[in-house]
Amino acid sequence: VQLVESGGGLVQPGGSLRLSCVASGFTFSDHYMDWVRQAPGKGLEWVGRIRNTANSYTTEYAASVKGRFTISRDDSKDSLYLQMNSLKTEDTAVYYCARAAGSSWDTHYFDYWGQGTLVTVSS
Amino acid sequence: DIQLTQSPSFLSASVGDRVTITCRASQGITSYLAWYQQKPGKAPKLLIYAASTLQSGVPSRFSGSGSGTEFILTISSLQPEDSATYYCQQLNSYPLTFGPGTKVDIK
Repeated sequence: VQLVESGGGLVQPGGSLRLSCVASGFTFSDHYMDWVRQAPGKGLEWVGRIRNTANSYTTEYAASVKGRFTISRDDSKDSLYLQMNSLKTEDTAVYYCARAAGSSWDTHYFDYWGQGTLVTVSS
Repeated sequence: DIQLTQSPSFLSASVGDRVTITCRASQGITSYLAWYQQKPGKAPKLLIYAASTLQSGVPSRFSGSGSGTEFILTISSLQPEDSATYYCQQLNSYPLTFGPGTKVDIK
């Protein structure tokens, strides 16, 4: 199992950025996928989730990003995306994609993580 | 939202010591709790899920217990490679939340 994020970089406040996460080594379409971020020197913050095709690709978001960030996926490309709009300085963080082990509540933990990609929001 | 607190926020212990970290939830989460270990510059690693189930490949010196609102991560005999920050996460309801972390240092 491997998850590889890309797309991070420096962006000005109010700008947009799209992160990608390419998965390999497992059946991507079976799994819920999540984004988690970590501001410099801070703890982990869950950003949001996209469910699998069996659950209609529905999404959940943290209040801090709802309405600004959109999670999507392309199962044909084994890829997960995070579209980030109206970026704020407080969105500066390392962004990780993570795989949920399963789709039932007792398997929602994250058993695999990517290496992370740094997003810096600054003028 | 369910808030998680962890205690202590920092601990320093010697190799071979028994170490315990407590995670408390603001409301009951049955056993929907996971523990992760994170080393500097690295992604978190799953240690424990369902409050007490050891993830495959994780050393048996790690164990978890608890249910409802109070959970404990125990390292039975601390090793040098256990120096890291440990996070609990609740998976009972959205938004999924993490505890603030406990940094473990080796004396």
